[in-house]
Amino acid sequence: SYVLTQPPSVSVAPGKTATIPCGGNSIGNKRVHWYQQKPGQAPVLVISYGNDRPSGIPERFSGSNSGNTATLTISRVEVGDEADYYCQVWDRDSKHYVFGPGTKVTVL
Amino acid sequence: QATLEESGPALVKPTQTLTLTCTLSGFSVSTTSMRVSWLRQPPGKALEWLARVDWDDEKFYNTSLRTRLTISKDTSKNLVVLTMTDLDPADTGTYYCARAPNRGEAFDSWGQGTPVTVSS
Repeated sequence: SYVLTQPPSVSVAPGKTATIPCGGNSIGNKRVHWYQQKPGQAPVLVISYGNDRPSGIPERFSGSNSGNTATLTISRVEVGDEADYYCQVWDRDSKHYVFGPGTKVTVL
Repeated sequence: QATLEESGPALVKPTQTLTLTCTLSGFSVSTTSMRVSWLRQPPGKALEWLARVDWDDEKFYNTSLRTRLTISKDTSKNLVVLTMTDLDPADTGTYYCARAPNRGEAFDSWGQGTPVTVSS
């Protein structure tokens, strides 16, 4: 089945830009979705279908996807952005939703 | 506003069957293009998708757990039920229901999750 990879952690200073990669075989041919999960809370969709932001998600969150890597970018990082971030795709071949292992973003 | 609320036992013994209920409000499980899934998250680990039921009653399952899972919907009560048989301590975690409307690929609303511990 399809496999997604993510680095375990990313550290960023407040006000800087965080980039979170999500690797997968020809992931550029798939629609990638991103979730933010804070401790003790349910995940929240922050980017869908590559680069669509649901209502209420700041413009600081954006997505891109090409080749074997999709990327979530958080601009002007705030302390409140500290969370785990998961990428996800719908794999048409296996008819499974597949999640990456998650990346913990720490704001230094 | 779409809301989902999970309910079920917090503690289950090994080999027992778990039944979880997801009660929906603000939308209908029978609305065309509506899809509702169950997912879980072991403590400190990643999200794992378990099963999905669609508005037309089509069902999809995680292949690795297929023999143990059954998902169903009750349109009159607007809820989705998941049963998982032969529970093991490795099934301990938080169980979520979530909806994926329209194109059905992204989960735009989640329940708050219900914790399940499998222990004798």
